Amino acid sequence: TQLLEQSPQFLSIQEGENLTVYCNSSSVFSSLQWYRQEPGEGPVLLVTVVTGGEVKKLKRLTFQFGDARKDSSLHITAAQPGDTGLYLCAGANWGKLQFGAGTQVVVTP
Amino acid sequence: KAGVTQTPRYLIKTRGQQVTLSCSPISGHRSVSWYQQTPGQGLQFLFEYFSETQRNKGNFPGRFSGRQFSNSRSEMNVSTLELGDSALYLCASSPGRGGNTGELFFGEGSRLTVL
Repeated sequence: TQLLEQSPQFLSIQEGENLTVYCNSSSVFSSLQWYRQEPGEGPVLLVTVVTGGEVKKLKRLTFQFGDARKDSSLHITAAQPGDTGLYLCAGANWGKLQFGAGTQVVVTP
Repeated sequence: KAGVTQTPRYLIKTRGQQVTLSCSPISGHRSVSWYQQTPGQGLQFLFEYFSETQRNKGNFPGRFSGRQFSNSRSEMNVSTLELGDSALYLCASSPGRGGNTGELFFGEGSRLTVL
């Protein structure tokens, strides 16, 4: 059983469309991280959110941490083929980083 | 600055055998964490080493073990391999304790297939 539930599991969209990926848990986390993993590579950190209600923007990517620090979302505006990858959320607690199963995003030209 | 290096990248073993995977962290990083990644379960935390001491352990059987050397390089060992051990094993390093808000830097992984 995953401590962190990510939805949807798979998302296929056309270039230029917007998308949102969700990360939910019943647990409270001291911080939450988002990673992107491309085929044949390890995950790469995109952002860390720490404060409940925090919103961070990274170019076309917007990350939000829920007020109760139990959930988070990742929104991509005007997706590009380079955004294709496995998006992973990870919650930090008690010295451990627990990962969700990931959302596979495919952006076609 | 060299990234996290994992060897071997690919390996095939048969049931009952054992395997040792190696990880060289980024120079200066003292924490090394190991994760198992499978399509069904995602990334599952195996253990974390900091300054040669195991600081945290996930819910894996005792067949999974690891160690860290004085130069921060780490190895993990899986004994009596089972079919279900087939997975991508990822190593990640960080300057401080990896389970805190610090960034994890991942290697490309070692893909293990058990036949």
